[in-house]
Amino acid sequence: DQQVKQNSPSLSVQEGRISILNCDYTNSMFDYFLWYKKYPAEGPTFLISISSIKDKNEDGRFTVFLNKSAKHLSLHIVPSQPGDSAVYFCAASASTFNAGNMLTFGGGTRLMVKP
Amino acid sequence: DAMVIQNPRYQVTQFGKPVTLSCSQTLNHNVMYWYQQKSSQAPKLLFHYYDKDFNNEADTPDNFQSRRPNTSFCFLDIRSPGLGDAAMYLCATSKRLGGKNIQYFGAGTRLSVL
Repeated sequence: DQQVKQNSPSLSVQEGRISILNCDYTNSMFDYFLWYKKYPAEGPTFLISISSIKDKNEDGRFTVFLNKSAKHLSLHIVPSQPGDSAVYFCAASASTFNAGNMLTFGGGTRLMVKP
Repeated sequence: DAMVIQNPRYQVTQFGKPVTLSCSQTLNHNVMYWYQQKSSQAPKLLFHYYDKDFNNEADTPDNFQSRRPNTSFCFLDIRSPGLGDAAMYLCATSKRLGGKNIQYFGAGTRLSVL
């Protein structure tokens, strides 16, 4: 049972345009959400996060939006650059879990930004 | 400046031959994690240490063990690797459990089993 889903395995965008990566979750206990970026042969790198008390968090070209009622979050990259080409993982955690908020990852979306 | 360092980056072992993967961190974080990632799937948590307290995920095979001799180092031991254990193994750290938990990952060790 996948609690965090990224339904688009890949996304292709033109340089300078907006990239929108989507993520859905099913567990209403999740209260913290993160996006990681992964280049080939490297480990995931933390990108941006959002707490469930917010609906938007912005960091430079990256903005994450959270819609709790829809259990949906999205990552916007504006403007997209070729160096943004990577696999993006959405992850969620629940601070109330007894084990102490382990991360649950989605399956990833491969973003390709064309020059 | 690498903060979570995994060695080796690539490891080849034979079916059934024990192998050890290592992870070190310069962040002085309390928590260290081991994940398994196959192909383009989501990373799957195997276990984690909070200081010296070891926590095994329920579905982690007994074939996988871990050691954390000190704050900085953590090892993943695969006692009898099978072909199905070929994967990328990721080490991660976080300052603590609870609250907002950002995990920082190493570059991973890609394990091949012949």
